[in-house]
Amino acid sequence: NAGVTQTPKFRILKIGQSMTLQCTQDMNHNYMYWYRQDPGMGLKLIYYSVGAGITDKGEVPNGYNVSRSTTEDFPLRLELAAPSQTSVYFCASSSRDRWKQGYTFGSGTRLTVV
Amino acid sequence: TQLLEQSPQFLSIQEGENLTVYCNSSSVFSSLQWYRQEPGEGPVLLVTVVTGGEVKKLKRLTFQFGDARKDSSLHITAAQPGDTGLYLCAGDTSGSRLTFGEGTQLTVNP
Repeated sequence: NAGVTQTPKFRILKIGQSMTLQCTQDMNHNYMYWYRQDPGMGLKLIYYSVGAGITDKGEVPNGYNVSRSTTEDFPLRLELAAPSQTSVYFCASSSRDRWKQGYTFGSGTRLTVV
Repeated sequence: TQLLEQSPQFLSIQEGENLTVYCNSSSVFSSLQWYRQEPGEGPVLLVTVVTGGEVKKLKRLTFQFGDARKDSSLHITAAQPGDTGLYLCAGDTSGSRLTFGEGTQLTVNP
């Protein structure tokens, strides 16, 4: 199993540019999440989804958008990149038994906005 | 917003030493998880604790969930360089998502 796959692994954006971070999972998980991790910090939730067609804001949603048209995919969109969005972004997924099996994370996308 | 506080934030020890990492909150959690993250990778689940007072062992790692389900600890016996990483605790309040602590960066020197 591939688990959770994120692309790209690295990206440099100029201020004001847009991009989509891709995330796909092959475990048929209902729940999917986007986190950002700044240096020396924990994970902050940007958006999450409990199933196809359903998304909700997390702690730090400003400047981001998401969609969930299929169970497998949960892309994160940055419309107008700002230096404050320089971070490592992690996508994760879980089943309804997340209390037992936890989250499965991708390997991250390192984004630099200059 | 529930807050999970981890301590210490940084820990550097010699191989063979023992250590304990703490995770505390004012909120009650239905379950609590511990993850380890290595550089350039996403966090990987180590264990889930569910019952107040529960103790789980994973080789040299011992995890405990507080009786009131508000805190947890991770104890490592005879630490090895391979234990180096960022240790994250995460609490579940029966909502749709976990709340993560800020993490403890552990370095084990040979």
